[in-house]
Amino acid sequence: GDSVTQMEGPVTLSEEAFLTINCTYTATGYPSLFWYVQYPGEGLQLLLKATKADDKGSNKGFEATYRKETTSFHLEKGSVQVSDSAVYFCALREETSGSRLTFGEGTQLTVNP
Amino acid sequence: NAGVTQTPKFQVLKTGQSMTLQCAQDMNHEYMSWYRQDPGMGLRLIHYSVGAGITDQGEVPNGYNVSRSTTEDFPLRLLSAAPSQTSVYFCASSYGIAGTGKYEQYFGPGTRLTVT
Repeated sequence: GDSVTQMEGPVTLSEEAFLTINCTYTATGYPSLFWYVQYPGEGLQLLLKATKADDKGSNKGFEATYRKETTSFHLEKGSVQVSDSAVYFCALREETSGSRLTFGEGTQLTVNP
Repeated sequence: NAGVTQTPKFQVLKTGQSMTLQCAQDMNHEYMSWYRQDPGMGLRLIHYSVGAGITDQGEVPNGYNVSRSTTEDFPLRLLSAAPSQTSVYFCASSYGIAGTGKYEQYFGPGTRLTVT
C-alpha cells in the first residue's frame, strides 16, 4: 500500500538557518504530494502541494519539488524564523483513492532565537 | 465561513463510557473524514464519508462508529471508551475535481481526548 516516510525529529535550528525535512514515499500510481503544518494547539493547515513530477510547490518561503525518480518531496526553507516552529507532515493522495490522504509521522521543528 | 468546527476541544472519559465527537463544515464539501493523531505515528484515518448516507472504514476503525445524515455533519461515536483511544482527533473535509489535480483538505482544530 501507499506509505510516506519522514526524517526523524525533532529538529532544532537557530533563527536564519537553512531547513531541510526529508520525505520519501511509496505509491502504486502517480500521487499528489502535500506538506501540512501544525502550529501548537491547532489543526493542520496546507503549506504547499505538487500534483505531478517536477512540479515545485512553494509558500511562505518554503519549497518542495516532486521528484519521481527518487520518490521524494523534501521540504526546504532558506532562512527559518522562530514563528516556523511547528510540526510538519508530508502526505500523499492517489487519484484512485478519492480524497484519502496518507500521512508521514510528522517532524517537530523548533527554531531558537 | 467557519470552515470545519469540532466540539468539544477537550474531554476526559472513564473506561467504558460513551461519547460523541461533533464535526461540522459549512463549505458544502462531499468528503469528510476522521483521523486520530498519536505521537510518532502521524495521522491515521478512522472513518470517512464520500457524501450524505455513505460511510466507510479507514485504517483504524475499531471502537468507533460514524454516520452522515447531512452534508454538513459527521459525528464520531465512541461506544465504550478504552485507554488506547486516548488521542487527539481531527475532523477534515475536502473537495476535489477529478482529473484536474485540484484538491484541498481542510482540518478542524481537534479534540483532545483522555480515557482513564
